[in-house]
Amino acid sequence: EIVMTQSPLSSPVTLGQPASISCRSSQSLVHSDGNTYLSWLHQRPGQPPRLLFYKVSDRFSGVPDRFTGSGAGTDFTLKISRVEVEDVGIYYCMQATQYPSTFGQGTRLEIK
Amino acid sequence: QVQMVESGGGVVQPGRSLRLSCAASGFALRDYGMHWVRQAPGKGLEWVAVIWYDGSKRYYADSVRGRFTISRDDSKSTLSLQMDSLRVEDTGVYYCVRDCYRMDVWGQGTTVAVSS
Repeated sequence: EIVMTQSPLSSPVTLGQPASISCRSSQSLVHSDGNTYLSWLHQRPGQPPRLLFYKVSDRFSGVPDRFTGSGAGTDFTLKISRVEVEDVGIYYCMQATQYPSTFGQGTRLEIK
Repeated sequence: QVQMVESGGGVVQPGRSLRLSCAASGFALRDYGMHWVRQAPGKGLEWVAVIWYDGSKRYYADSVRGRFTISRDDSKSTLSLQMDSLRVEDTGVYYCVRDCYRMDVWGQGTTVAVSS
């Protein structure tokens, strides 16, 4: 099973300032078809998660461009250029390269 | 619009069974692989099972293999999860999720509580 490790687990951020979340996998997420199936999800309290990025850096419909996904192999990063109030919640990375699919522990983003 | 609605959750005693359903609308279910993902109270996301778009492959988390069965009925646009021999640790919100590789659309979830 591929283990996904996120850091930090909690991130207090000032409104308008940048934020960054790291996700590392215990083995390469490059699939035999050449794609890297690493996604980022955001969950607000009381709501289901919603997709932000898939295949590392492909932005899902409706996701603001202040969000950026990057990385390769085993190291991935989600960046927010300027945090807004609506960005609070928990962010998860997820791999679907190899089953069982696995999630990171989650990173809680909160406003200072 | 694209939507999935889960149902079938409830309170059940350990060792009993429950069947969850997910009604898909706004897209052709037959074109997509589908997952079940769960979330225990106050905890993170845990992947449970996936079924390929054509039903040719099914994978399960170790924690549910042999007890849970994922299935689909494309004619009814419905995904199902048969849960047998339920345990207290199966308690949580169960989400139906679209697409094997992206997890791009999530239902609102249905709550399962396993308690004596």
